[in-house]
Amino acid sequence: NAGVTQTPKFRILKIGQSMTLQCTQDMNHNYMYWYRQDPGMGLKLIYYSVGAGITDKGEVPNGYNVSRSTTEDFPLRLELAAPSQTSVYFCASSPTRGGHNEQFFGPGTRLTVL
Amino acid sequence: QKEVEQNSGPLSVPEGAIASLNCTYSDRVSQSFFWYRQYSGKSPELIMSIYSNGDKEDGRFTAQLNKASQYVSLLIRDSQPSDSATYLCAVITGGKNGNQFYFGTGTSLTVIP
Repeated sequence: NAGVTQTPKFRILKIGQSMTLQCTQDMNHNYMYWYRQDPGMGLKLIYYSVGAGITDKGEVPNGYNVSRSTTEDFPLRLELAAPSQTSVYFCASSPTRGGHNEQFFGPGTRLTVL
Repeated sequence: QKEVEQNSGPLSVPEGAIASLNCTYSDRVSQSFFWYRQYSGKSPELIMSIYSNGDKEDGRFTAQLNKASQYVSLLIRDSQPSDSATYLCAVITGGKNGNQFYFGTGTSLTVIP
């Protein structure tokens, strides 16, 4: 199993541009999450999904959108990129939302908005 | 009040010593607790999980949970330079959206050779 994969690894955007961060997991996990991590800070939840077709906002959803058309994929869309969105983005998945199941993280996407 | 709080450190210990990392949480009904290790520039990786009061040992790592005090800790025995990383505490709580993960801001650990 590849686990959780993310593309691209790095990206530089200009202010106002848009892009999609890709996330795929091959563990057949129902739950998927998008986090951002600013330098020296913890993880902040952007959006999460409990299954295909179901998504919900996390702590910091403004400026982002998600979709979940399949169990495997959970892309994160940035519209009108702003410098405040410069961060490292992590995708994660878990077998269930609650219970005893931990989250597995992808390698991250480092985004810079200039 | 934050859901999960950690001392940000930095914490420095000499090689071979015991490193003690602490975490408190606010939701009394929380049931699941995790410690993640994150090396600089890398993604978090799970090192310990604990669900019941008491201690859980795995090699050089021991997680301790005290639900009455809403406190969870991680002890690293015989600390090695390779343990130098940021350690994130995570808690699954009830939350406003049902069970949800909350991460602390992390404690930076440096093990000095």
